[in-house]
Amino acid sequence: DGGITQSPKYLFRKEGQNVTLSCEQNLNHDAMYWYRQDPGQGLRLIYYSQIVNDFQKGDIAEGYSVSREKKESFPLTVTSAQKNPTAFYLCASSIVAGPNQPQHFGDGTRLSIL
Amino acid sequence: DAKTTQPPSMDCAEGRAANLPCNHSTISGNEYVYWYRQIHSQGPQYIIHGLKNNETNEMASLIITEDRKSSTLILPHATLRDTAVYYCIVRVATGANSKLTFGKGITLSVRP
Repeated sequence: DGGITQSPKYLFRKEGQNVTLSCEQNLNHDAMYWYRQDPGQGLRLIYYSQIVNDFQKGDIAEGYSVSREKKESFPLTVTSAQKNPTAFYLCASSIVAGPNQPQHFGDGTRLSIL
Repeated sequence: DAKTTQPPSMDCAEGRAANLPCNHSTISGNEYVYWYRQIHSQGPQYIIHGLKNNETNEMASLIITEDRKSSTLILPHATLRDTAVYYCIVRVATGANSKLTFGKGITLSVRP
């Protein structure tokens, strides 16, 4: 089936540790996105990528890093500089970046601090 | 960004049409109206979007008023699986960073 796969579903981070969240899509989409969702709140954009080897900061990029070496993959690293990382992380993709292109989401990774 | 206003919750009977309202009185002429839904602990699911014409797909219909200041999402035959939080979003139409800004949404409860 075509879709977006995020792994792991649950992740625990120790203090001072970097962790990487995986996002893979087989939809042949050029654009990919990372959002963060906190309880009872909406989504906030962390990073987005319009095309391979290119990515841009979103509204809350501090403490996060990404790479886009392959079209189908857009991993997100939560670094130790991110002081409040506990949240639900959502990856999305669209055919291209633009307002008339729906973004389709994976099922998320829930990150917690030990 | 144009802001949307939705009632916090509503319910409907299974098998009946669910009409979910959304107010977006400050929408600009080139901004799209999107609807997503989210079931607890899952990623948001795209439903439908439109600019000024009414739209219909296999999931729902989107009715946008002529002045574009409000819209209604219609689920024609609601089922228990349609119970979710529904988000009405006005999407910024500038540049490649056309992000989705989710508000609080409306919780739809479908009762048997």
